[in-house]
Amino acid sequence: QLQLQESGPGMGKPSETLSLTCSVSGGSISSNHYWAWIRQPPGKGLEWIGSMYYGGSTYLNPSLKSRVTMSIDTSKNKLSLKLRFVTAADTAVYYCARHAGTNWYSPNRFDSWGQGSLLTVSS
Amino acid sequence: QSALTQPASVSGSPGQSITISCAGAISDVDNYNFVSWYQQLPGKAPKLIIYEGNKRPSGISDRFSGSKSGNTASLTISGLQAEDEADYYCCLFVGSLAVFGTATQVTVL
Repeated sequence: QLQLQESGPGMGKPSETLSLTCSVSGGSISSNHYWAWIRQPPGKGLEWIGSMYYGGSTYLNPSLKSRVTMSIDTSKNKLSLKLRFVTAADTAVYYCARHAGTNWYSPNRFDSWGQGSLLTVSS
Repeated sequence: QSALTQPASVSGSPGQSITISCAGAISDVDNYNFVSWYQQLPGKAPKLIIYEGNKRPSGISDRFSGSKSGNTASLTISGLQAEDEADYYCCLFVGSLAVFGTATQVTVL
């Protein structure tokens, strides 16, 4: 059974660069799926950050593209997110998810989710 | 600036059926064949309940069904139960961009 587990620093200060990691177990991150980050500010809706395939293909939300880097470490079965120049508006629960589809190149659903990691940005 | 609009809230009594709409500004209606729906219970991660418009993942009750008409997708919950009280989101991945709907809070009266 596929399991995803996010981890991160918990807190950070404005203008810092913060990183989160998603550990995948029960399946290979090198499988024919994309892997995604999605966030949810407290009391608000879901916002897709980006999706990445282990082969390197990446889709990013244009509103975050300039501050986001995603990477995959196949040897550790981990997905990572780096967010630069954070502000209070980046305070959210960050979820990783498998972005699956009928074909690997056409993901259309987030079918497995981690439990989420809260990131708070405050001075 | 979500391109998918949902009603903020929908309510119903136990046993009733309710429908949540997801209306988009995306012009190619065929894209709505790939809408997915998620249920988020309080304090929990979202869970996929419908994909590709009307397909259910293994383990999801057949009380949940999806449909499409033009540029509007819909989620119907039949035989409403107390455990269905949650937030529901639609989502569409098109043009290399994933967009979530504005969320609908379902209340069981």
